[in-house]
Amino acid sequence: AQTVTQSQPEMSVQEAETVTLSCTYDTSESNYYLFWYKQPPSRQMILVIRQEAYKQQNATENRFSVNFQKAAKSFSLKISDSQLGDTAMYFCAFMKPRYNNNDMRFGAGTRLTVKP
Amino acid sequence: GAGVSQSPRYKVAKRGQDVALRCDPISGHVSLFWYQQALGQGPEFLTYFQNEAQLDKSGLPSDRFFAERPEGSVSTLKIQRTQQEDSAVYLCASSLVTSGETQYFGPGTRLLVL
Repeated sequence: AQTVTQSQPEMSVQEAETVTLSCTYDTSESNYYLFWYKQPPSRQMILVIRQEAYKQQNATENRFSVNFQKAAKSFSLKISDSQLGDTAMYFCAFMKPRYNNNDMRFGAGTRLTVKP
Repeated sequence: GAGVSQSPRYKVAKRGQDVALRCDPISGHVSLFWYQQALGQGPEFLTYFQNEAQLDKSGLPSDRFFAERPEGSVSTLKIQRTQQEDSAVYLCASSLVTSGETQYFGPGTRLLVL
């Protein structure tokens, strides 16, 4: 079974600075997808960024980028120019597409606080 | 367009009561997932529908949990004889097709069993 580990339960960063959230995963599969989701306090989970394992190029979405190291099974999220609205729980998730399911396996999350 | 909606947003039940949680996925989305999120944890998979077919229910914790999606759109998660350990946020997610698609989440139903 695939497992996802987020080793940083909590992190904080000053507004406008850069922060990196760590994620490692364990799988024997070669074809899979990785995601970072953001869950603001009392609000719903939204997608931040996704990465297809077959793509070597790291995904980027505006201020958010990933460092995908397939051999090391590492998938970290970098947030540049942090904003107060980035304060949230961040979850790393793994998906192995199968014919009968595409459920995601989530890490325990990292609580990020952006300080003014 | 409208996102995934869930109702009720909050539910308080006495131990032993039955509850029904509703999910309205994004229109046209084939895949629908239910997840359970305990306090301070990441979501855990419960069950998966492709249209009206329940293809995977391996994550349902007991036979007290039952889910359906009879017409391939709205889904209901039912919990019979609720127990305190059922207290959690129940998340619904949908995706347009199947393989590798991004899942879009609803706001969740927070269930508290007293």
